[in-house]
Amino acid sequence: DAKTTQPPSMDCAEGRAANLPCNHSTISGNEYVYWYRQIHSQGPQYIIHGLKNNETNEMASLIITEDRKSSTLILPHATLRDTAVYYCIVRVGHGDYKLSFGAGTTVTVRA
Amino acid sequence: NAGVTQTPKFRILKIGQSMTLQCAQDMNHNYMYWYRQDPGMGLKLIYYSVGAGITDKGEVPNGYNVSRSTTEDFPLRLELAAPSQTSVYFCASRPTDGNQPQHFGDGTRLSIL
Repeated sequence: DAKTTQPPSMDCAEGRAANLPCNHSTISGNEYVYWYRQIHSQGPQYIIHGLKNNETNEMASLIITEDRKSSTLILPHATLRDTAVYYCIVRVGHGDYKLSFGAGTTVTVRA
Repeated sequence: NAGVTQTPKFRILKIGQSMTLQCAQDMNHNYMYWYRQDPGMGLKLIYYSVGAGITDKGEVPNGYNVSRSTTEDFPLRLELAAPSQTSVYFCASRPTDGNQPQHFGDGTRLSIL
């Protein structure tokens, strides 16, 4: 699976949008981009995933560049409860797969 | 639905002891996974299973064993506990549809002293 690069940390003001970047320049055509987060050592929580189109759900939006070499997770109105480690993961979209977690981005939402 | 349930939540073992970490899911998922997470690190895959009776090794299988006799349960066994196995262990499951995400349990925090 392609590797991803994320900034180690970022701060965000409560109520503002949080934009989390992820670089995956070696992504293959059939590899999906997945985002998970982990709040204070709880089990990872699925947020969103996409292949090439932008995606939105009740938690976040995922913007994937046209060349698919990078993506951005957007939390539209960050709250203190969004403070967590966010993982961007690329994996093959069918058949058996395993998630490869890097160090992620530690997001701190400040009041 | 309870989702993915892991027991126990916490455990302290002595070196050389053995134990089984339990994982159960009630979503009828075929795929199940065991990960470990060391402090400040990402998750590493220990073992996984694509269905009852089928298991395979992940990145860090040494010192562990698994079995999958039913769709619901995927226990992880430590035979001779070592301090290097002190970690947080997460179980996950997902449906067969390859696009669907994995669902994680709340973890078992294990200390080997």
